Amino acid sequence: QVQLVQSGAEVKKPGASVKVSCKASGYTFTSYGISWVRQAPGQGLEWMGWISAYNGNTNYAQKLQGRVTMTTDTSTSTAYMELRSLRSDDTAVYYCARGTGGGRADYWGQGTLVTVSS
Amino acid sequence: SYVLTQPPSVSVAPGQTARITCGGNNIGSKSVHWYQQKPGQAPVLVVYDDSDRPSGIPERFSGSNSGNTATLTISRVEAGDEADYYCQVWDSSSDHPGYVFGTGTKVTVL
Repeated sequence: QVQLVQSGAEVKKPGASVKVSCKASGYTFTSYGISWVRQAPGQGLEWMGWISAYNGNTNYAQKLQGRVTMTTDTSTSTAYMELRSLRSDDTAVYYCARGTGGGRADYWGQGTLVTVSS
Repeated sequence: SYVLTQPPSVSVAPGQTARITCGGNNIGSKSVHWYQQKPGQAPVLVVYDDSDRPSGIPERFSGSNSGNTATLTISRVEAGDEADYYCQVWDSSSDHPGYVFGTGTKVTVL
């Protein structure tokens, strides 16, 4: 069965960076993309960007351009999302999700809470 | 940028039908996907490509899309359907294509 397992919760200070991992199993990793979505406390879903696991092409949300980098390691079927220059409003649960060609996220990781606080 | 608007809340009695709308400019020309999110859990895809259901999703969940409004319909509502629901499209119309999520609707089962 398809599974996406994310790394554990993080606490960071403002200005620091965080890197969240997402290990995929149960399907051919390079046949799909990985989207990253975040959700601030009590708020809705915000798409952060997408990476092709086939060729590493990326597409980032304009709001995060310059602060976010998404990568993959095909040898371990793992995707990574790094967010830099953290601010308090980056506090959120970060999700990875398998992205299909139809522009949807059909399987999701369990989420990683990132708290930014001084 | 493309905007999807949902009602903040919908209340429905058990056994009745809940309809959740998702408004967007000419949304009928796009494929709409719907997610269910229960408290403390990750979202789950319940309808994709306007009206298709992933395996394991009950037939009680259905979708439609036309004009400027897409609709998720939950028939014979159960207590376990209480959750937040989000619509989503892929917006390729701007310089920065990507996923767009609706504002979310909280479904309360009375």
